[in-house]
Amino acid sequence: GAVVSQHPSRVICKSGTSVKIECRSLDFQATTMFWYRQFPKQSLMLMATSNEGSKATYEQGVEKDKFLINHASLTLSTLTVTSAHPEDSSFYICSAGGRLASYEQYFGPGTRLTVT
Amino acid sequence: AQKVTQAQTEISVVEKEDVTLDCVYETRDTTYYLFWYKQPPSGELVFLIRRNSFDEQNEISGRYSWNFQKSTSSFNFTITASQVVDSAVYFCALSEYGNKLVFGAGTILRVKS
Repeated sequence: GAVVSQHPSRVICKSGTSVKIECRSLDFQATTMFWYRQFPKQSLMLMATSNEGSKATYEQGVEKDKFLINHASLTLSTLTVTSAHPEDSSFYICSAGGRLASYEQYFGPGTRLTVT
Repeated sequence: AQKVTQAQTEISVVEKEDVTLDCVYETRDTTYYLFWYKQPPSGELVFLIRRNSFDEQNEISGRYSWNFQKSTSSFNFTITASQVVDSAVYFCALSEYGNKLVFGAGTILRVKS
């Protein structure tokens, strides 16, 4: 199956700083990438959908100026949490969709963000 | 709007018992896809199965089986002879025509030895 990586797997940052999370599709070209957030003991909630070369589409309630998404190539999407606060501490998971099967999503291993 | 309901928050069973995880969905589309994922303590989602709305055949894969019934909008998942390694959170998800996945709340499965 397709492989999606995320970096870093864990990050701790201080309140007020920004942190960038990378999502890479290693063996296929992903026209669409998705970013999810999962708080402890909760389900995955879609934050935004990004298409290569265009602006991301954010879900209702997600601040686009706080969660900056860049999908500059068919293999890389980045999520930058700007001015992070403790309430942004969460598990962030990306997924990549392939060209041929729009319903296929391949998930990355996730990034655990802790804001102190 | 699409919605997935997993009414069972947590299930505990003893090893070798069979267990069924329920999933009920809502959608207005006639074309959609249903999924089950496993999330072990490591956090990484493990894909288990995908079903499209036109394929109501039940599926069996080893100890896992899935029962898809459009008449009741359900896509239930059964683990036969459960093992401790099956302990995880299991998510049912729905994708209407297109990519967007909506997840259920998840069911925590605890298998005790």
